[in-house]
Amino acid sequence: GAGVSQSPRYKVAKRGQDVALRCDPISGHVSLFWYQQALGQGPEFLTYFQNEAQLDKSGLPSDRFFAERPEGSVSTLKIQRTQQEDSAVYLCASSFLPREGKSTDTQYFGPGTRLTVL
Amino acid sequence: KNQVEQSPQSLIILEGKNCTLQCNYTVSPFSNLRWYKQDTGRGPVSLTIMTFSENTKSNGRYTATLDADTKQSSLHITASQLSDSASYICVVSARDGGATNKLIFGTGTLLAVQP
Repeated sequence: GAGVSQSPRYKVAKRGQDVALRCDPISGHVSLFWYQQALGQGPEFLTYFQNEAQLDKSGLPSDRFFAERPEGSVSTLKIQRTQQEDSAVYLCASSFLPREGKSTDTQYFGPGTRLTVL
Repeated sequence: KNQVEQSPQSLIILEGKNCTLQCNYTVSPFSNLRWYKQDTGRGPVSLTIMTFSENTKSNGRYTATLDADTKQSSLHITASQLSDSASYICVVSARDGGATNKLIFGTGTLLAVQP
């Protein structure tokens, strides 16, 4: 079956613009995660959804970052008034179980969206 | 603070040779440790996962070890192939309240396999 898909794959924005990044998780996966990966670094956690509920947004760097998953499937990460430090790859991952479930449940990652803010 | 450190930062080896990547972590309470492979322009793909009670796990030419006492892990790649060129990320899962699957990523080791 299809894996996690993300769109667009590349996004160039002028500083101050708003952007919206989309994630299509694997069908039936309860958990959805967003990560931010700076160049040469490992991914860092942004936020977590269990179905449509955003249960953890402790990693969102500022109130300019907003994520939603209104129907418990597709998710959108929105960044308002983009800044140069927002330039990174944004990864989405999904897993079958809730985060409070089996600890060895695998997270499946999408290819990421590379955001460049000029 | 929960941290995952990897070494070396980058590595170049010849095709057919073996190599070992290292991971040290200070994550508590520990849940499990995973190794991911990330090809350029792709998302990470899981290679192995080990819980506290496991000290070795193999996946083809990849063998991961875990020493939970010293909080160290290694990933050994045997008979390397050009397609092994990628970033290898050590990921430790922490128990955080009710969450048993909160991932903490290392910065990765960038491996280049040359013909």
